[in-house]
Amino acid sequence: AQKVTQAQTEISVVEKEDVTLDCVYETRDTTYYLFWYKQPPSGELVFLIRRNSFDEQNEISGRYSWNFQKSTSSFNFTITASQVVDSAVYFCALSEARDNFNKFYFGSGTKLNVKP
Amino acid sequence: EPEVTQTPSHQVTQMGQEVILRCVPISNHLYFYWYRQILGQKVEFLVSFYNNEISEKSEIFDDQFSVERPDGSNFTLKIRSTKLEDSAMYFCASSVKGLKNEQFFGPGTRLTVL
Repeated sequence: AQKVTQAQTEISVVEKEDVTLDCVYETRDTTYYLFWYKQPPSGELVFLIRRNSFDEQNEISGRYSWNFQKSTSSFNFTITASQVVDSAVYFCALSEARDNFNKFYFGSGTKLNVKP
Repeated sequence: EPEVTQTPSHQVTQMGQEVILRCVPISNHLYFYWYRQILGQKVEFLVSFYNNEISEKSEIFDDQFSVERPDGSNFTLKIRSTKLEDSAMYFCASSVKGLKNEQFFGPGTRLTVL
């Protein structure tokens, strides 16, 4: 079974539109961490956010915001007023206490295309 | 800003050859990782390393793989006898602590096995 599911394979929006990237996770641990990474066309992985399982407060960082809901095991990522530079593949990831948080489980990624 | 570096950026090798991928983690980090991303697929965990030994490894990390920290700065991944299916991007990562801290990823090494 997939520990992290990103059902949206690819999304295309026009610049300035808002877009939400979905992430659903599965774990039996009560203590875990969730992450979002951005992979631009150049290929590197850029850390965006970490959230622990005890902190359900939503977070906003500029045009980025994250909605963590334990009740639905989701950790969704919204980009407000998207820009062409946001075009990338976005990965959601999970690390669990059972692995001493030493292992990341990545979702399959969502490719975001932002058109001018 | 400190960053994880990896060399080479692209490695081409013949099937059956041995390759060594090199990583220099961030200097005060204690935990080191290798991940693999086959083209167009998700990033997969291979191995984590702490205190000069493997702490976790995945089922992908079989006997043809090995990791080493040969000196105080480098962290290497060796593939003994490469197969076509080893062609992928290999990411090194490091973190201050395994617990809680985010992993900082290097830019990756693209391995092409012919």
